[in-house]
Amino acid sequence: EVQLQQSGPELRRPGSSVKLSCKASGYSITDYLMHWVKHRPEHGLEWIGWIDPEDGETKYAQKFQSKATLTADTSSNTAYMQLSSLTSEDTATYFCARSEGMTKFDYWGQGVMVTVSS
Amino acid sequence: DIVMTQGALPNPVPSGESASITCRSSKSLVYKDGKTYLNWFLQRPGQSPQLLTYWTSTRASGVSERFSGSGSGTYFTLKISRVRAEDAGVYYCQQVREYPFTFGSGTKLEIK
Repeated sequence: EVQLQQSGPELRRPGSSVKLSCKASGYSITDYLMHWVKHRPEHGLEWIGWIDPEDGETKYAQKFQSKATLTADTSSNTAYMQLSSLTSEDTATYFCARSEGMTKFDYWGQGVMVTVSS
Repeated sequence: DIVMTQGALPNPVPSGESASITCRSSKSLVYKDGKTYLNWFLQRPGQSPQLLTYWTSTRASGVSERFSGSGSGTYFTLKISRVRAEDAGVYYCQQVREYPFTFGSGTKLEIK
């Protein structure tokens, strides 16, 4: 059974950074792209970017180019997203999602809440 | 960026009735391979989004036949037949035709 297990909720100060994890089970992460999506209730869903864990290739939405860094560790079958220079605008739930091909987002993690507050 | 605009529903929708959600894109979602890259998702309260359909009308694995996607170019519809309580949540369309991938603002479905 395919599962994406994300790390627990995070509370960070403005200006700091956070690294979120997404551990895959039931398949090898090198066989699929991993996307990250941001969700704020008043803003809906925003696509951040994807990583190809097989070779580390990444693609970001321009808006998140300097905010997010996507990496993957094939030995632990885990994808990561680091968010830097956190502000209140980064307070959101973040999802990882696998895609078959580049566009079929077929499995999602449960989401992780990041709160940025002083 | 491609802007996705979703219509609203006349909530609440009586159980057993049908509901149709519209989604309009600011640019054609037809790619050079002939496919139309439009996804539909349902996000139930407190859950992650669930893929319902991709390539406009292909149902994802395990998705009920009560969900049917249609449309072409820039205008799309998700029809939910015989709605049930479990269909409640927020529905999102998403274009994956070009970067950055973008979502509609969501359409809430409430069941009576």
